[in-house]
Amino acid sequence: DQQVKQNSPSLSVQEGRISILNCDYTNSMFDYFLWYKKYPAEGPTFLISISSIKDKNEDGRFTVFLNKSAKHLSLHIVPSQPGDSAVYFCAASITGNQFYFGTGTSLTVIP
Amino acid sequence: GAGVSQSPSNKVTEKGKDVELRCDPISGHTALYWYRQRLGQGLEFLIYFQGNSAPDKSGLPSDRFSAERTGESVSTLTIQRTQQEDSAVYLCASSPARYGEQYFGPGTRLTVT
Repeated sequence: DQQVKQNSPSLSVQEGRISILNCDYTNSMFDYFLWYKKYPAEGPTFLISISSIKDKNEDGRFTVFLNKSAKHLSLHIVPSQPGDSAVYFCAASITGNQFYFGTGTSLTVIP
Repeated sequence: GAGVSQSPSNKVTEKGKDVELRCDPISGHTALYWYRQRLGQGLEFLIYFQGNSAPDKSGLPSDRFSAERTGESVSTLTIQRTQQEDSAVYLCASSPARYGEQYFGPGTRLTVT
């Protein structure tokens, strides 16, 4: 049973525009959320995280929004750059032990 | 400093054989995780080690899978009597704290023929 879902397998965005990647979850007990970026043949690298006590966290061009009532998480990248082209995974955890990952969204930023 | 390393990077084995995958975490990281990623799927949690506490094995798919970690150092994931459905990329990650950012290794691609 997939507790964290990324329903868009792919997304294409023009360079300089905003990229919005979405993630939905089913377990209301999740209290910590993360986004990872993955290039081919490499392990995922951490991008940004948010705890359930906040609804927004910003780090440079990356902002994560959390809507607990809708059980929805999104990652905004502004402005998008060609180097942002990668697969993005969202992940959620209840106690910091077990992390549940989505299936990923492949982002292509078109120059 | 050195990141998380995994070996081998690729492993091809025959069905029924045992395999051992190795993970060297970042020095000083108390938490270590193993994940599996099958083709076209997300990362699937397998097992979690935190310091000297008993590991969380709740993600291991069958008793053919086991993992060990000595203190806060290297970990090995062992798959006995491999099956074709075990073919996947096995990723290891370490973290300095329980809610900390996870640093991933490059993974081991396992192919069971």
